[in-house]
Amino acid sequence: SAVISQKPSRDICQRGTSLTIQCQVDSQVTMMFWYRQQPGQSLTLIATANQGSEATYESGFVIDKFPISRPNLTFSTLTVSNMSPEDSSIYLCSVAGGGIGEQYFGPGTRLTVT
Amino acid sequence: SQKIEQNSEALNIQEGKTATLTCNYTNYSPAYLQWYRQDPGRGPVFLLLIRENEKEKRKERLKVTFDTTLKQSLFHITASQPADSATYLCALDILNDYKLSFGAGTTVTVRA
Repeated sequence: SAVISQKPSRDICQRGTSLTIQCQVDSQVTMMFWYRQQPGQSLTLIATANQGSEATYESGFVIDKFPISRPNLTFSTLTVSNMSPEDSSIYLCSVAGGGIGEQYFGPGTRLTVT
Repeated sequence: SQKIEQNSEALNIQEGKTATLTCNYTNYSPAYLQWYRQDPGRGPVFLLLIRENEKEKRKERLKVTFDTTLKQSLFHITASQPADSATYLCALDILNDYKLSFGAGTTVTVRA
């Protein structure tokens, strides 16, 4: 299994600003994912971040709003740009386990936009 | 589009009883289905994966079944304990590309 940390754990931001969330993994992994969990709801995949290639975004998510970096095999960032209150969510990163298809998740970043 | 439904939002059971959660899906035949546990304020934790050619999988007090004809998975927690109280999520990798689609989850509360 992989151990994943995220920074910050939570933040309160003003609308119109941007926040960059960091995801650090304790081992080298090829596939990293970013999810959003809106209040009281389940997880929705935002994008897949593979090292050495552009992130691929799911329907409803665009690079201008959620730019992602993946500079190496242990680290990724997700930026939430030009935030509005609708962006208030928990943002989670995960990695593919490399075994049978399971994923390991970070603890999440709780974002509140006022 | 793929739809994943979990039977109920909340399940309250007495300690020692078996909790049974349901995950139904439509419009696709995934190669495998996963179950995760999520505690408040934490990320999901992988529990079990069952493949399409497996009828049943067990891990300690957990049992998962997978019926590809019914497009349904059942998740059982036997001899439940208060520490089992959490939200349980089913997830599908619809296109075999490691991208998971999650159900809404069922919150289980085990009363002592």
